[in-house]
Amino acid sequence: EIVLTQSPGTLSLSPGDGATLSCRASQSVSSSYLAWYQQKPGQPPRLLIYGASSRATGIPDRFSGSGSGTDFTLTISRLEPEDFAVYYCQQFGGSQFTFGPGTKVDIK
Amino acid sequence: EVQLLESGGGLVQPGGSLRLSCAASGFTFGGGYTMSWVRQAPGKGLEWVSSISGSGGSTYYADSVKGRFTVSRDNSKNTLFLQMNSLRAEDTAVYYCAKVDGDLIMFGELIVEGQPFFDSWGQGTLVTVSS
Repeated sequence: EIVLTQSPGTLSLSPGDGATLSCRASQSVSSSYLAWYQQKPGQPPRLLIYGASSRATGIPDRFSGSGSGTDFTLTISRLEPEDFAVYYCQQFGGSQFTFGPGTKVDIK
Repeated sequence: EVQLLESGGGLVQPGGSLRLSCAASGFTFGGGYTMSWVRQAPGKGLEWVSSISGSGGSTYYADSVKGRFTVSRDNSKNTLFLQMNSLRAEDTAVYYCAKVDGDLIMFGELIVEGQPFFDSWGQGTLVTVSS
């Protein structure tokens, strides 16, 4: 089973700041099979990025994804108030889906 | 617009059973889309539980539920199911129904059509396992 590790666990930032979230896999992941989700309290997750770098429909261009192999990054260029949430990476491999533990982006 | 509506959650004693349903609309349910269940324990992260291919012929389970949970679908009724038996306290969670943007078919080897990510989610149904 591929294990995903996300860092940092919590990121305390101010609106307007940039954010860099990391997702590291225990073994190589196909870039096509790496996605990022945003989740706010009391809501289901929302797809942000798929295929490591493609934005989902309706996702603002301040969100971008990059990476390959075992290291992937979600970047938020300028945090808006609605961006404070928990972010999860997800991969598919070996007929199983796995999620990272999440990075919480909260207001400083 | 894709809509997924889960139902069937509730309070159940350890060792008991529960059947979750997910009613789908807004897309061709039987049109080759793998459907999945993902759960989230209170205050915790996301955990994939199970998936089923568009035809229903291929099923996949997390090790934590294998042998206890059974996923199925009725394409004529646009509905996904999760039969949960031998429930444990650690199964307590919100269970989300999620649509995969493609199909995962086991035919000797795994065939991935489309991309394996979850593009639509339901609002979830809470399952509490407690005596």
